[in-house]
Amino acid sequence: ETGVTQSPTHLIKTRGQQVTLRCSSQSGHNTVSWYQQALGQGPQFIFQYYREEENGRGNFPPRFSGLQFPNYSSELNVNALELDDSALYLCASSSGLADEQFFGPGTRLTVL
Amino acid sequence: RKEVEQDPGPFNVPEGATVAFNCTYSNSASQSFFWYRQDCRKEPKLLMSVYSSGNEDGRFTAQLNRASQYISLLIRDSKLSDSATYLCVVNEALGGGADGLTFGKGTHLIIQP
Repeated sequence: ETGVTQSPTHLIKTRGQQVTLRCSSQSGHNTVSWYQQALGQGPQFIFQYYREEENGRGNFPPRFSGLQFPNYSSELNVNALELDDSALYLCASSSGLADEQFFGPGTRLTVL
Repeated sequence: RKEVEQDPGPFNVPEGATVAFNCTYSNSASQSFFWYRQDCRKEPKLLMSVYSSGNEDGRFTAQLNRASQYISLLIRDSKLSDSATYLCVVNEALGGGADGLTFGKGTHLIIQP
């Protein structure tokens, strides 16, 4: 196991609601990246946090936001949920800006 | 637009056979390359990094051709447990995640007894 944990494992929300997903990085890792994986697709990069600052962002609207805490755990917040937001949300941790990223088990979000 | 292209398969292969996957990437400035394995409804797991000189890890061999922007994965003596989706992954920038990892859609492999 990678030591990366995510909560909750599953979540059901309705359109327009807001959701917060959580991730604890592997011990010794100070970088967390978030990805969205729709069914049958590869993961898509949402953003990355390095030492509590956003370090880069993919092609996702501003209603996707995040935080990283001093212990390097992280949150992903999604406002005004849409049906297309239904997906597996993965966080990955890495050491510094190292290339190799290690994924948590994901949160499966269903928007009805 | 950054793209990583893979044949989605499925590849149906008898146990013990050798199977090869290919992947192409669009950004010639890409810096690092990986193969991840993903089991059904699970997270991706790093299988191996891919280096210009090629690298081998047991039954698995990865090759990178920067001139052709092409990455390959070879699995020898395939096992039933190799059945999974194999994701080709490219990192645009050294040390970084400023653009995150770019994933292909994956190649689905089924090893048959």
